[in-house]
Amino acid sequence: QSALTQPRSVSGSPGQSVTISCTGTSSDIGGYNYVSWYQQNPGKAPKLIIYDVIKRPSGVPARFSGSKSGNTASLTISGLQAEDEADYYCCSYAAEYTVVFGGGTKLTVL
Amino acid sequence: QLQLQESGPGLVKPSETLSLTCTVSGDSISSSTYYWGWIRQPPGKGLEWIGSVYYSGSTYYNPSLKSRVIISVDTSKNQFSLKVTSVTAADTAVYYCARVVKVTDYLDYWGQGTLVTVSS
Repeated sequence: QSALTQPRSVSGSPGQSVTISCTGTSSDIGGYNYVSWYQQNPGKAPKLIIYDVIKRPSGVPARFSGSKSGNTASLTISGLQAEDEADYYCCSYAAEYTVVFGGGTKLTVL
Repeated sequence: QLQLQESGPGLVKPSETLSLTCTVSGDSISSSTYYWGWIRQPPGKGLEWIGSVYYSGSTYYNPSLKSRVIISVDTSKNQFSLKVTSVTAADTAVYYCARVVKVTDYLDYWGQGTLVTVSS
């Protein structure tokens, strides 16, 4: 069970859109529509922002959206805001009731 | 409102056993809709899923940690626990407990996390 692959960092200016990719295999991302994304601010616990590839929990702004194609999932943040600066982690079901996380992406708002 | 709270020693000696408990309030740990999981994060690094437990006692572990990890549940106390045996400095991390939604396995509620340092 290897970690999912994410870019170490991405950046964007306020108002722009950024996309964070998350690449796995046919045994995790490619095999199930069970991808979730988490936002983590420094010193805080992760917060769920996307689940089941495309769904947003109540209270998460519509600026956050998820998608998947083959073995790669993506998180897109539209209309970037300063408060979006954080670390983002993808996660996928990986069979036999196990999950695997990505290595994390640091988002910098310029 | 659901809350999860980790508790346990913040310092463990090498080769000993790390033990943590997660106390759940605001929901029954015996719900058939959820698992209860442990995740850790070494300082400055990413998240690593450790494993999860169902209220029935069924457990599911990260294959890379399976030989050293035991997760158990105590429904009478609404708690679940983590033990990691034969710890080394590499086990130093913030340990989180979380609620895992069954079937699609996303983690919708997290504890605040507790730092465990392995050092003599």
